[in-house]
Amino acid sequence: EEQLVESGGGLVQPGGSLRLSCAASGFTFSRYWMHWVRQAPGKGLVWVARINSDGSAINYADSVKGRFTGSRDTAKNTLYLQMNSLRAEDTAVYYCVGTGKVSYWGQGTLVTVSP
Amino acid sequence: QAVVTQEPSLTVSPGGTVTLTCGSSTGAVTSGHYPYWFQQKPGQAPRTLIYDTNNKHSWTPARFSGSLLGGKAALTLSGAQPEDEADYYCFLSYDGPRVFGGGTKLTVL
Repeated sequence: EEQLVESGGGLVQPGGSLRLSCAASGFTFSRYWMHWVRQAPGKGLVWVARINSDGSAINYADSVKGRFTGSRDTAKNTLYLQMNSLRAEDTAVYYCVGTGKVSYWGQGTLVTVSP
Repeated sequence: QAVVTQEPSLTVSPGGTVTLTCGSSTGAVTSGHYPYWFQQKPGQAPRTLIYDTNNKHSWTPARFSGSLLGGKAALTLSGAQPEDEADYYCFLSYDGPRVFGGGTKLTVL
């Protein structure tokens, strides 16, 4: 069964850091580009970052550029999002999402940035 | 950054047909934008209904279809069911960034 499972969310103070993980199973993770997407409470979906199949090309939304870093470990079938200099407006549920015929969604992990 | 526009809300009668659209501030939406459509019900994670304009997943009900229509991406629901009441988001690819639309709240009433 194809699955994406996010982890690493939690409560962090403004200016702090978190690293999110997304463990993939049931499909050939190394073949597909992956996205990070977030959703603030009661709001719509917002694209955060895209990582190509081997992690060599990454695009970021302007709102996170310079603060967030995406990466992937194909040996571990895991996608990462390192989030630094966190702000209150980064508070959201973060999802990893596959692309194309593996455009599965994880269940999300909640990041709360608050004093 | 491009802006992707969707109808904020639509209502369809049970058994009826409705088309949701997805436009781009940069001009016509084409297959090169690789349009996706996602469905999200309250309290749930989104799920992908359509990818790359008109491709369905195994879980996508046959009553949903994707297309390009009048310079926009379109999601057509034919034979609406009560369980189709949800938020629907489109997603377009540009040269680098990706952008979501603001979502359409579909009511089946």
